[in-house]
Amino acid sequence: EAQVTQNPRYLITVTGKKLTVTCSQNMNHEYMSWYRQDPGLGLRQIYYSMNVEVTDKGDVPEGYKVSRKEKRNFPLILESPSPNQTSLYFCASSSPTSGGYNEQFFGPGTRLTVL
Amino acid sequence: AQSVTQLDSQVPVFEEAPVELRCNYSSSVSVYLFWYVQYPNQGLQLLLKYLSGSTLVKGINGFEAEFNKSQTSFHLRKPSVHISDTAEYFCAVILNTGFQKLVFGTGTRLLVSP
Repeated sequence: EAQVTQNPRYLITVTGKKLTVTCSQNMNHEYMSWYRQDPGLGLRQIYYSMNVEVTDKGDVPEGYKVSRKEKRNFPLILESPSPNQTSLYFCASSSPTSGGYNEQFFGPGTRLTVL
Repeated sequence: AQSVTQLDSQVPVFEEAPVELRCNYSSSVSVYLFWYVQYPNQGLQLLLKYLSGSTLVKGINGFEAEFNKSQTSFHLRKPSVHISDTAEYFCAVILNTGFQKLVFGTGTRLLVSP
């Protein structure tokens, strides 16, 4: 089954304790992205990657890091989490379609709480 | 820069009534338009999309949307809602250039009551 998986799905942590949220896709997609969803703000892009070893900042990159060492994986790293990073996080992957646009496939989400 | 505006943060409606969720966008280049639905405690599901051609687009679960280029709108409609349509709905656009970044609106919570 074609899918994007994220782990963990739920995480409660404390300020300053480094954490990694994993994202993996099995569709051989070139593009991958991370979004955060906050009430009243919709989804905002954190980082994106156009291919292996190619990453760039999205709209809200502060406090986050990413890496793309393999095509299928795109982990999100919070080196020193803070309470304002409490949010619902989505990973997405996409690839050009015959319609000329990149259809995005979303993971199930990771709900992170930083105390 | 492109942006997406969803004018209503919350829309309460009774079951079997019609509903319209409004979406306006701004962009100087051509765009692709999407509506996503997020049911409580679930991820995002694509409801429908407009790429080109007919301006009336039909999606899943009886929803449809109409692309209006002159008004830069892409409103979502359903003639008769069900309790199960209670969810958050996001309008989104992709610029038809480069990486094709997906830009979301702030969302509209549809609350269907009996």
